Amino acid sequence: DVKVTQSSRYLVKRTGEKVFLECVQDMDHENMFWYRQDPGLGLRLIYFSYDVKMKEKGDIPEGYSVSREKKERFSLILESASTNQTSMYLCASSFPGANTEAFFGQGTRLTVV
Amino acid sequence: KQEVTQIPAALSVPEGENLVLNCSFTDSAIYNLQWFRQDPGKGLTSLLLIQSSQREQTSGRLNASLDKSSGRSTLYIAASQPGDSATYLCAVMGGSNYKLTFGKGTLLTVNP
Repeated sequence: DVKVTQSSRYLVKRTGEKVFLECVQDMDHENMFWYRQDPGLGLRLIYFSYDVKMKEKGDIPEGYSVSREKKERFSLILESASTNQTSMYLCASSFPGANTEAFFGQGTRLTVV
Repeated sequence: KQEVTQIPAALSVPEGENLVLNCSFTDSAIYNLQWFRQDPGKGLTSLLLIQSSQREQTSGRLNASLDKSSGRSTLYIAASQPGDSATYLCAVMGGSNYKLTFGKGTLLTVNP
């Protein structure tokens, strides 16, 4: 079974802290994605990566950065956490190409106080 | 810009009923469409993937159809059970970067 693992289910951080959300996949997928999910807004793409050290901005990259030093690991970084970044964060991975299935992690519920 | 709409936003049915969830998208130039299930506070579980050249996919009590030209997909759930209660999301993949665009989901409640 494909497994996408996010390092934390729940996190509480203070405003201004630097926050790292980690995601690891075990299926040798080239593509990895970070989404946030908010009530009424659905899932929105923050960043994605097609390969090691490669990244592209999604629809809402402001306030975030990412790191992909190894193929299996994709990190989302909140440089200075703010209360409007309180959200559910979801990581996904897939093979490249048009007819591939995306697999998601269990999500990280981040609260910034 | 691709937009995905799911109707209804919420649905409540008695156990045993057959039901249909709807998904529509504005740009028919898609590679595939995927249906997901999400339980409260959890991640997404993939249910069915329909490639753009396919018309339908089946898995157990689930059947998903795709009409690419009209920009529509349906997820049919037969003989619903309380364990089917969850939010169902559809997502389409398209564009040069194979991006997934999601609908906002349908919250399904199956009452015993």
